[in-house]
Amino acid sequence: QKEVEQDPGPLSVPEGAIVSLNCTYSNSAFQYFMWYRQYSRKGPELLMYTYSSGNKEDGRFTAQVDKSSKYISLFIRDSQPSDSATYLCAMRSNTGTASKLTFGTGTRLQVTL
Amino acid sequence: GAVVSQHPSRVICKSGTSVKIECRSLDFQATTMFWYRQFPKKSLMLMATSNEGSKATYEQGVEKDKFLINHASLTLSTLTVTSAHPEDSSFYICSAQEAPAKNIQYFGAGTRLSVL
Repeated sequence: QKEVEQDPGPLSVPEGAIVSLNCTYSNSAFQYFMWYRQYSRKGPELLMYTYSSGNKEDGRFTAQVDKSSKYISLFIRDSQPSDSATYLCAMRSNTGTASKLTFGTGTRLQVTL
Repeated sequence: GAVVSQHPSRVICKSGTSVKIECRSLDFQATTMFWYRQFPKKSLMLMATSNEGSKATYEQGVEKDKFLINHASLTLSTLTVTSAHPEDSSFYICSAQEAPAKNIQYFGAGTRLSVL
């Protein structure tokens, strides 16, 4: 079993829809959770950064972390064609080789007109 | 957010030559930089972690003599692919972390290497 599981998609939604992206993980030591957006042939861009459990909102994006269920989500409201990209969840612990991120495989999102 | 510049964005080289990729943090000092490799439609695979002024730590299965990493200053790390072969063709991405307490990695735009 992978440490971080993420549905690769592709996920296709119409413009204006609410998108829900999710990751599950098995390592209870993970404390920092991130969502990155990656356009084709580009480096990942940090979207959201959350520490421990809770919600965080930034514009059209909301990140949720449920540590008891080992489940994180990214919601995108009023999705736009420009949101079409691959979304990677990433997480890390606070101990040991603390700097290393563990990534999900990424979910490819396509927002259609 | 912090800016990480990676250069070149694209390189094509002949088999047997060496290629150097640069990664610079433009508006912050990066105590730690990371080098990743990404295959098409796959996630990022960490190759090595480099801390300024010390030797890089390579992940299992990554040849340190093949992929030379230098982190000579707090704003620059380089990855040199030595004696490149077609199987080294890939998308290489660097990231930089400002300080241990600011545990966010900011990524460069990536370098697409094609070895003929």
